[in-house]
Amino acid sequence: GAGVSQSPRYKVAKRGQDVALRCDPISGHVSLFWYQQALGQGPEFLTYFQNEAQLDKSGLPSDRFFAERPEGSVSTLKIQRTQQEDSAVYLCASSLWDIGNQPQHFGDGTRLSIL
Amino acid sequence: KQEVTQIPAALSVPEGENLVLNCSFTDSAIYNLQWFRQDPGKGLTSLLLIQSSQREQTSGRLNASLDKSSGRSTLYIAASQPGDSATYLCAGSLGGGSNYKLTFGKGTLLTVNP
Repeated sequence: GAGVSQSPRYKVAKRGQDVALRCDPISGHVSLFWYQQALGQGPEFLTYFQNEAQLDKSGLPSDRFFAERPEGSVSTLKIQRTQQEDSAVYLCASSLWDIGNQPQHFGDGTRLSIL
Repeated sequence: KQEVTQIPAALSVPEGENLVLNCSFTDSAIYNLQWFRQDPGKGLTSLLLIQSSQREQTSGRLNASLDKSSGRSTLYIAASQPGDSATYLCAGSLGGGSNYKLTFGKGTLLTVNP
């Protein structure tokens, strides 16, 4: 498809386990973003990539969160030693250029539940 | 830090009614303002993007305005339809080196009744 694809759609993990969430952006999109959306809230910014460079990781909640985009296309968000407060929907978005006047296109998200 | 507030939190209207959703932001140095739609269990769909140099944007039955001086944006939906039922989110970014970083409101849950 032509949109942003995220996998898995749902992930259940036990507290303390590591998880990895994948994002396939729209082909050719330079910018990639990760957001965290808690129930009933708007998405909150986590991190931003321009091609393979992670230019902003100011929104990552702790050092248990790690994101990468090694070849400038697919990105992975990894959460180590998961905690219950990590339960949320994780959204990935991409945009064509690296300037702020381009709309961001979102995937359907990964719903993460930590037991 | 930019803060975004959306009022009302929920709105229920009969089909055919025109309606307005409100969004306010605290920092007038806004770079752009975007309106999104989110259906249950889905991601966000971009509806309209207003750059700081613009005052409004239109797409079909949707019109969004931006008033930087008052810190407000409105989304006007004409002749509402049941298919318009969704959560509508506004998000703003600031200028400077972080014009890509969107700050979202909590959204307005819109229900259009047949």
